[in-house]
Amino acid sequence: KNEVEQSPQNLTAQEGEFITINCSYSVGISALHWLQQHPGGGIVSLFMLSSGKKKHGRLIATINIQEKHSSLHITASHPRDSAVYICAVKALSGNEKLTFGTGTRLTIIP
Amino acid sequence: DAGITQSPRHKVTETGTPVTLRCHQTENHRYMYWYRQDPGHGLRLIHYSYGVKDTDKGEVSDGYSVSRSKTEDFLLTLESATSSQTSVYFCAISESDRGSYNEQFFGPGTRLTVL
Repeated sequence: KNEVEQSPQNLTAQEGEFITINCSYSVGISALHWLQQHPGGGIVSLFMLSSGKKKHGRLIATINIQEKHSSLHITASHPRDSAVYICAVKALSGNEKLTFGTGTRLTIIP
Repeated sequence: DAGITQSPRHKVTETGTPVTLRCHQTENHRYMYWYRQDPGHGLRLIHYSYGVKDTDKGEVSDGYSVSRSKTEDFLLTLESATSSQTSVYFCAISESDRGSYNEQFFGPGTRLTVL
């Protein structure tokens, strides 16, 4: 079992829909990343959080440390949001290594 | 965008040849990382560096070596490339203050094909 599990693996939605992508992890963490990767493109950091909630434009990330769970929400989704969204965690152990989920492929249909 | 470049961006090589990938940063960050990305797997850490001449292995380090002789450059070498090393390779950087964790920033990636 992977230390970081994302669901769903694939998600197709209509433009304008509210999107939720989930990330569950099994170890104690000090931080969690949400990353975005467009097809054939590089990887962009969206959020880094260790508690509560962060918002940037139409994107909202929440984390519940006790439940070892984080969600990424996209409001008023747009075709340009189509990408792979990756969750990564930094364990409480003393190095800088991240453990990554396998990603959620999001497709927004116009 | 963080100043990270990777070279080459694409490479096709033959089994048994040596290959070196370069990551260059202009941010003066302490930590640098090499990952590989393959279908069905999350990004996996190959090696990382926590300072000039200071490196450590990641989870998939077999068949790879690294060097960091300057803060800005982190080289990944495949001494004798194999087809299983066909992948997309990403470099990342982060700065780390004592007692805190800073996010990682990723380079554009290098697509390597070993025939």
